[in-house]
This record gives sequence, C-alpha cells and structure tokens, in this order.
Amino acid sequence: QKEVEQNSGPLSVPEGAIASLNCTYSDRGSQSFFWYRQYSGKSPELIMFIYSNGDKEDGRFTAQLNKASQYVSLLIRDSQPSDSATYLCAVSGAGSYQLTFGKGTKLSVIP
Amino acid sequence: DAGITQSPRHKVTETGTPVTLRCHQTENHRYMYWYRQDPGHGLRLIHYSYGVKDTDKGEVSDGYSVSRSKTEDFLLTLESATSSQTSVYFCAIRTGGNDGELFFGEGSRLTVL
Repeated sequence: QKEVEQNSGPLSVPEGAIASLNCTYSDRGSQSFFWYRQYSGKSPELIMFIYSNGDKEDGRFTAQLNKASQYVSLLIRDSQPSDSATYLCAVSGAGSYQLTFGKGTKLSVIP
Repeated sequence: DAGITQSPRHKVTETGTPVTLRCHQTENHRYMYWYRQDPGHGLRLIHYSYGVKDTDKGEVSDGYSVSRSKTEDFLLTLESATSSQTSVYFCAIRTGGNDGELFFGEGSRLTVL
C-alpha cells in the first residue's frame, strides 16, 4: 500500500520566517509530487508540483525533491499570516490515475 | 478557471437511506474524481472516471457507486448510508497534463445519523 507521511503539526513560525514542510513516501516508483494548501473549511488548492530531483521555485515557495531518499519538502519564505493553513503532500505513480495524499501539516504563522 | 459545482453542499440523512451527490463541471475535462476527507485520514480516493461510462475504483470504494452518463456530470451514490460514511466529500477534475493537477469543488458535507 502506498503511503505518504507528513508531520501533522501544528508547525508554528513567526511572520517573516521560513516555514519548512516535509513529506516522505513509500513507493519508489512514484513519479510526480504535489503540494496542496487547504484553508479551514475550504477545498484543497494546488500550489506546487515537482517531477525531477532538485529544487523548483515559484515566488515565495520552493519545492525540493530527493527521490533517492523518497523525500519531498516545501519551503515558504517570508511567511505571512495568510499562509496559515494545512499543507497536503500528494504523490502519483507512473501512469497512475490515483493520487495518494498525506494527512497534511497544519501551519500557523504568528504575526 | 475550471468550474465545478457540487450538490448538495450539506446533507443530513439517516442510516439506511440512499444518498446521491452530484458533481457538475462546465469545461469538459475528461478525468473526474470523488474523494472523502476525514480527520486523521486525510483525503482518500473513492472512485474516478476517465470518460463517459468509464469509471474505476479508488482506495475506499466499498459502499459507494458512481455513474457518468455525460461528460459534465459525475454522480456518487451511497446505496444505503452508514454512520461511517459521515464525511466531507470532494469532487475534483484533472485540469493539467498530470494526474496530480486537480481542481477541487467546494465539498459536500454529509452527516449520517
């Protein structure tokens, strides 16, 4: 069974700091990796995806992937109170229609 | 922006009654999904569809059936609701070239008493 593990948190960081969110996955055949943000009572929204080892930057967000270690992370620079949400890591395999989600990490940015 | 409408948004029902949730999209995306989200379990795939009349099971499909007779509509049916099916149900459509690029509807909160 494919598993995606995340620390449930809550992770608290001060405003302006870097928030680091981590995710590990069990299936070595996983090909694509996604980060979703979910505000309380709302639906998940895609914020980043990464397919290759290394870093991918998009504004204040950086996704990092290490397939050898089966590890993917999301860094949020200059964290803002509006970044306070639950962040979901998701993984899919080659040719798979199924996306496996982690349980999410709750991030709280303290003003 | 992709348009998804889920209905009903909230429903309270009793054990043993049938329930149908509807997901309607406006942009003719091929792939549609039904997920449930529960505390401590995260998002779990129930069923998905890759075209009209083409559906397949996900991780937690027991007790659920789906139908897709038109591209724009994907129905999730609980034939006989149980309390364990109390959850928030999300419909999603695949908007990009990869399986993980999903756009979610606003969710349907179902309570089974």
